[in-house]
Amino acid sequence: DIQMTQSPASLSASLEEIVTITCQPSQDIGNYLSWYQQKPGKSPQLLIHSATSLADGVPSRFSGSRSGTQYSLKINRLQVEDTGIYYCLQGYSAPPTFGGGTKLELK
Amino acid sequence: EVQLVESGGGLVQPGASLKLSCVASGFTFSDYWMSWVRQTPGKTMEWIGDIKYDGSYTNYAPSLKNRFTISRDNAKSTLYLQMSNVRSEDTATYYCTRRLPGYNLGFAYWGQGTLVTVSS
Repeated sequence: DIQMTQSPASLSASLEEIVTITCQPSQDIGNYLSWYQQKPGKSPQLLIHSATSLADGVPSRFSGSRSGTQYSLKINRLQVEDTGIYYCLQGYSAPPTFGGGTKLELK
Repeated sequence: EVQLVESGGGLVQPGASLKLSCVASGFTFSDYWMSWVRQTPGKTMEWIGDIKYDGSYTNYAPSLKNRFTISRDNAKSTLYLQMSNVRSEDTATYYCTRRLPGYNLGFAYWGQGTLVTVSS
């Protein structure tokens, strides 16, 4: 199975700050990387697919990127409603595997 | 509006069986691969398995394939997860998901989840 190392595990940031979360797969996954946001008490929602494509209805302050074998989710100008847990997921090979999650809180 | 509504969770004893359901609406159910994903109380996410849009093919996490079975009824727009010989480590919230049109691209929509607690 492909292991997804996600960091940091937790993060505290201020309103309007820029936040970056990363995922490092244990082997090449091409661009088969998606990001999800789970707000407290809710189910996960797709933010980004194909490493960089913004899902429908997702605010443009969210963006995904790839640098070599490392994938990043960036949140520009953090808002109150962005708190929650963020997950990456690789879909390159079965079984699809998730990162451990990043818990994002407001400072 | 796409909606996925799971049901069937609850408290179940170790070794018992349980069948979860997910009723879909807002899209043509028979056009999409569907999946089950679970989240443990510690928030770890685990993919359980998929079923092809016509029900002709299923794929499972290796650790679960001998105990879990995914099926669907396209006439009822309903996805199922049959769980057998459940264990304490199966305690989790179970989510029904619809894949993006590109199979490997991820999970476009998630239900609200149904909690399964395995305990004597």
